[in-house]
Amino acid sequence: NAGVTQTPKFQVLKTGQSMTLQCAQDMNHEYMSWYRQDPGMGLRLIHYSVGAGITDQGEVPNGYNVSRSTTEDFPLRLLSAAPSQTSVYFCASSWQSGGDTGELFFGEGSRLTVL
Amino acid sequence: GENVGLHLPTLSVQEGDNSIINCAYSNSASDYFIWYKQESGKGPQFIIDIRSNMDKRQGQRVTVLLNKTVKHLSLQIAATQPGDSAVYFCAENMGSFGNEKLTFGTGTRLTIIP
Repeated sequence: NAGVTQTPKFQVLKTGQSMTLQCAQDMNHEYMSWYRQDPGMGLRLIHYSVGAGITDQGEVPNGYNVSRSTTEDFPLRLLSAAPSQTSVYFCASSWQSGGDTGELFFGEGSRLTVL
Repeated sequence: GENVGLHLPTLSVQEGDNSIINCAYSNSASDYFIWYKQESGKGPQFIIDIRSNMDKRQGQRVTVLLNKTVKHLSLQIAATQPGDSAVYFCAENMGSFGNEKLTFGTGTRLTIIP
């Protein structure tokens, strides 16, 4: 199993450009999410999805769009990049709902720099 | 707003000793807490979780303690090893499901001294 795969690993954008960060998981997880990680601020939730066709906003959704057309993929779109979006982005997935474990599986991260 | 925070940003421990990483939370309605480990250049990795109806849970070399009275969470790592060097995050769930809306603390960097 590849787990959670993010592409690209590194990206440099100019202010105003748009791009899509890709995320795919091969574990048949219902739940997927995007976080951003900034120095000294931990991880903050951008958007999440509890199943195909269902998305919702997290703590910091402005400037980002998501869609969930399949169970496997959850792309994150930056509509018009701003320097404030310079960050490391993590995609994560898990089986939905509680149970004995709520393990969230993270990808390796995508480092984005906006000039 | 309510958030999860940590008492200490850095912690250095001699190899073989036990370590304790602390976390304070302020949302009394939170009912699910998780600890994650993040090694340099990698994504966070699940360590252990605990629900609010428990006050202690043990894993392999790790123990999580939950004190709801003072809203405090701790992670104990026994017999630390060099591979334990990483940043550790506590997180609480703000949603209806286990992982729906996790709020992470800022992290504690644990360094194991050989």
